[in-house]
Amino acid sequence: DTGVSQDPRHKITKRGQNVTFRCDPISEHNRLYWYRQTLGQGPEFLTYFQNEAQLEKSRLLSDRFSAERPKGSFSTLEIQRTEQGDSAMYLCASSSPGGNQPQHFGDGTRLSIL
Amino acid sequence: GDSVTQMEGPVTLSEEAFLTINCTYTATGYPSLFWYVQYPGEGLQLLLKATKADDKGSNKGFEATYRKETTSFHLEKGSVQVSDSAVYFCALSLNSGGSNYKLTFGKGTLLTVNP
Repeated sequence: DTGVSQDPRHKITKRGQNVTFRCDPISEHNRLYWYRQTLGQGPEFLTYFQNEAQLEKSRLLSDRFSAERPKGSFSTLEIQRTEQGDSAMYLCASSSPGGNQPQHFGDGTRLSIL
Repeated sequence: GDSVTQMEGPVTLSEEAFLTINCTYTATGYPSLFWYVQYPGEGLQLLLKATKADDKGSNKGFEATYRKETTSFHLEKGSVQVSDSAVYFCALSLNSGGSNYKLTFGKGTLLTVNP
């Protein structure tokens, strides 16, 4: 069990630029979640994948956000035309199939918008 | 909607003191309950969980009991250590359709333990 891996750990970019984050879940986990955490708050759900299918998106996920999991393994989260309010920690979690399994989190990608 | 309310911090204790962090929830169904811990610069780690009423989750000396009648899941530890300093999050999960068990978190409680 190598754990959930996220890349990059930190991203600094100028407002208006596009950014993409990657998440590699634990290998046998077919469920994958993205969350966003702002300073002093708990993580908030963004989107959920079962295998390659994106089954739920939060209303927090504006049209500028898109997530993919093309082969049911790693996932990417892209933010287009970044805004100051996008500055946050983006967390990925995965869990194994069957019932309500605990989610295992990566260390996150911290995004800073200049 | 579903929500979690937990004790506001920060909480500062001396080593070997007793810890309680209160957590209450509101849910439309019958949730599973979790405590996660986040150390500086790291992601969240599952500390303990409970899936039904009166279940007690425990790990590393921490305990929490699922109380349906009071909709609570308070975290306790009898004797804290400096290494317990971290942010603690209470969370619930409900099946929102199909296989999605997304987590709903509280705001977190920062615990600092002094030697």
